[in-house]
Amino acid sequence: EVQLLESGGGLVQPGGSLRLSCATSGFTFSNYVMSWVRQAPGKGLEWVSGISGSGGSTYYGDSVKGRFTISRDNSKKTLYLQMNSLRVEDTAIYYCVSVDTAMAAFEDWGQGTLVTVAS
Amino acid sequence: QTVVTQEPSFSVSPGGTVTLTCGLNSDSVSPSYYPSWYQQTPGQAPRTLIYNTKTRSSGVPDRFSGSILGNKAALTITGAQADDESDYYCVLYMGSGTMMFGGGTKLTVL
Repeated sequence: EVQLLESGGGLVQPGGSLRLSCATSGFTFSNYVMSWVRQAPGKGLEWVSGISGSGGSTYYGDSVKGRFTISRDNSKKTLYLQMNSLRVEDTAIYYCVSVDTAMAAFEDWGQGTLVTVAS
Repeated sequence: QTVVTQEPSFSVSPGGTVTLTCGLNSDSVSPSYYPSWYQQTPGQAPRTLIYNTKTRSSGVPDRFSGSILGNKAALTITGAQADDESDYYCVLYMGSGTMMFGGGTKLTVL
């Protein structure tokens, strides 16, 4: 059974930093592109970032480019998102998602971790 | 600025058929955008319904179908049921590893 378990969310002040983790199991992690998708309270879904299976290529949405860094540790089957210079508008549930590379589609979703940016 | 467009809301009667669409403000949606569809109920993580325009994800009932209609991707629900009442999101692959969500459609079954 595929499992994706996010952690690391919490309350942080504007301008602060936070690192999210996503521990995975049940699939060959290194074979998959992985992504982070977020959802602000009462709003729609937004693709945040993606990373290739090897970690050699990374991709970012315009709203987080230059502030967030995605990475992965294939030996630990874990995905990360380092979030710096956080803004109030970064407040959201952050989902870890596996990506079917050939079909360019999200495949399995974690349950999400809530990040709240507030003073 | 590229925007993926969806109807904000839609309603369907139980047993009825509804088609939700997914467009682009700057282009026609074609299979080369690999349109996919996701269902989300309140408080839950999204669930993958359709990928690569029309392929159903494992376990998805065949009353859900995907297609290209005109210049948009489409999700059709045939024989709508009460538990189909959800938010539906489309995603398009924009190239260079980037993906874009539509704003979502809130479907009411009544």
